[in-house]
Amino acid sequence: QQQVRQSSQSLTVWEGETAILNCSYENSAFDYFPWYQQFPGEGPALLIAIRSVSDKKEDGRFTIFFNKREKNLSLHIKDSQPGDSATYFCAASANAQGLTFGLGTRVSVFP
Amino acid sequence: NSKVIQTPRYLVKGQGQKAKMRCIPEKGHPVVFWYQQNKNNEFKFLINFQNQEVLQQIDMTEKRFSAECPSNSPCSLEIQSSEAGDSALYLCASSRRDRNQAPLFGEGTRLSVL
Repeated sequence: QQQVRQSSQSLTVWEGETAILNCSYENSAFDYFPWYQQFPGEGPALLIAIRSVSDKKEDGRFTIFFNKREKNLSLHIKDSQPGDSATYFCAASANAQGLTFGLGTRVSVFP
Repeated sequence: NSKVIQTPRYLVKGQGQKAKMRCIPEKGHPVVFWYQQNKNNEFKFLINFQNQEVLQQIDMTEKRFSAECPSNSPCSLEIQSSEAGDSALYLCASSRRDRNQAPLFGEGTRLSVL
C-alpha cells in the first residue's frame, strides 16, 4: 500500500504553461513534505519543501499548495521550460525520520 | 552540483559477489541515509546514521546488507552476497539534525548484478 501517492505517472505541458503535480498521503503523522527533481542518470535534487503547519510555499517558479485536512498537496511549476522535463517525486517524513517517496511523475515540457 | 559524493558511479558484480559502495556526506551533516531506487522508481529506505550510530534500519539490511559511517572516513554500504534483485540505484543522502531540512542526495551508485 502506497503511503504517498502521486496521481499521475506522466504529464505533458507546453512551454509557458503551468504544470500541476498532485500528491496525497495516508499517514497523519507526516509533517514534512519535500519535492525532488530527478533527471535520468542523476540523483534526486531537492526542489522545494513544506511543513504541515503551512498551506503554501513559494520559491521562484515553484509553489507547493498543502491541504492538511484532505491530506494532499500539489506542486505548481509556473512558466514551464523544456529544461524542467524530469521526474518529480513527492516525499514525506514524520519527526525528521526517513523519507517515504511517491512513484514520481514524469513531466515533459514541449517547446 | 551535488555535495554528497558517491563512489563508484557504476558497479557490476556477479551473483554471490560482494558489492561495496561509498559515500562522503556534505560537510556538517551528521545524519546519513541509504536508499535503494529500483527501475520502477520505488525508493526503499535501507538505513540511516547519526554520526557513527545506526538510527533506523529495515530487516533487509540486517541480513545481507551492512553499513557503517566511521569517523573521519567515508560511509559505506556493502552487500555480502549480491543477488539479481539487488540491481538498482543506491542513493546516499545527508542532512543536518534540523527537522526543517530535507536530505540532500548524491548521484548514486548504479549496481548491476549479472
